[in-house]
Amino acid sequence: AQSVTQPDIHITVSEGASLELRCNYSYGATPYLFWYVQSPGQGLQLLLKYFSGDTLVQGIKGFEAEFKRSQSSFNLRKPSVHWSDAAEYFCAVVELNDMRFGAGTRLTVKP
Amino acid sequence: ETGVTQTPRHLVMGMTNKKSLKCEQHLGHNAMYWYKQSAKKPLELMFVYSLEERVENNSVPSRFSPECPNSSHLFLHLHTLQPEDSALYLCASTVSRGNEQFFGPGTRLTVL
Repeated sequence: AQSVTQPDIHITVSEGASLELRCNYSYGATPYLFWYVQSPGQGLQLLLKYFSGDTLVQGIKGFEAEFKRSQSSFNLRKPSVHWSDAAEYFCAVVELNDMRFGAGTRLTVKP
Repeated sequence: ETGVTQTPRHLVMGMTNKKSLKCEQHLGHNAMYWYKQSAKKPLELMFVYSLEERVENNSVPSRFSPECPNSSHLFLHLHTLQPEDSALYLCASTVSRGNEQFFGPGTRLTVL
């Protein structure tokens, strides 16, 4: 069974517009959740993480994510997208000691 | 500076060649990983080493052989690969399993 689902394969937004990338997980206990970003030809860079406590977490590059247990979601948001945000975004959950990744959402930013 | 380096960054090899991928982490971490990233497929976990001991092998074909001589270095030895093995191979490390992982830039492998 897939632990992490990213429903959107590809999203296009205009520069300056707001962004929300969806992530749903299936895991019984309180999950450890992560968002990573990958630029073309590069490795993955951690944007933010949730372990416990405040359900709204702030990350680098102006990103934030909110953990909603009732919806089993951990959506990533940014109020105003910049052209440099164009990349692939991966949600991940720690399950049985190791990280399981979603299939990724590719973000295109229109001028 | 991610603290995790991988060499080479690009590799082209024939199906009968033997080559090795190298990963080095400068973060003092205790666990290291190999992942395979193919187009249009989720990231696939291949091997996990914790304190230099292999703790997971996700049904990876024997033509891939990992080696972890110490906690800072991880190798992936390749031999008689198939064209479908062409992918981006990513190395990652973490202070301990279950925590965030730090990734290297990857090795883009093409098998002819």
